[in-house]
Amino acid sequence: DTEVTQTPKHLVMGMTNKKSLKCEQHMGHRAMYWYKQKAKKPPELMFVYSYEKLSINESVPSRFSPECPNSSLLNLHLHALQPEDSALYLCASSQPLMSTDTQYFGPGTRLTVL
Amino acid sequence: RKEVEQDPGPFNVPEGATVAFNCTYSNSASQSFFWYRQDCRKEPKLLMSVYSSGNEDGRFTAQLNRASQYISLLIRDSKLSDSATYLCVAMDTGRRALTFGSGTRLQVQP
Repeated sequence: DTEVTQTPKHLVMGMTNKKSLKCEQHMGHRAMYWYKQKAKKPPELMFVYSYEKLSINESVPSRFSPECPNSSLLNLHLHALQPEDSALYLCASSQPLMSTDTQYFGPGTRLTVL
Repeated sequence: RKEVEQDPGPFNVPEGATVAFNCTYSNSASQSFFWYRQDCRKEPKLLMSVYSSGNEDGRFTAQLNRASQYISLLIRDSKLSDSATYLCVAMDTGRRALTFGSGTRLQVQP
């Protein structure tokens, strides 16, 4: 089972709202990731969590705040977003001990900021 | 220069055709390589990992040339269901960060 789930599937929010994106995996993976994908562009890495600790922040603005409550869950808290933040937000997970460390993606949350 | 470069296409091919995609990468710290497939408005799905010895999975063959920093994907006997965007991906294993190429769009026509 290589399933990563994400909720919600779609989210529309105003620039003053606070919302959270959720990601869950039950594959025992110990690395989890957030990517952002704009239309007709490839995914771009935002954050990496390894063993529940933040290991990479790709200079993401502070209006995006990641959280890893446990090894199965990854959240992305959103506050005071801008319309240009509208995108598909993808979560992925992998098992860092494996030699190829393949990342498996969830279906994404399609975010629209008004 | 982009870290991972691909021909964006589109490649329009008839059913049954053989099509080849090429990709180059510039980050010498990249140690693992993959091809992902992405359908419109869906998430990327792993197609195959790429090894220096070359690897084959049914109609799909992937090759890696580390000296030239070049990756390829060959699709034989194309099916309508192969229509998608194919993403060439390099991973810096130390950082566990994936870098995606811009993708090559394939349209297989009846």
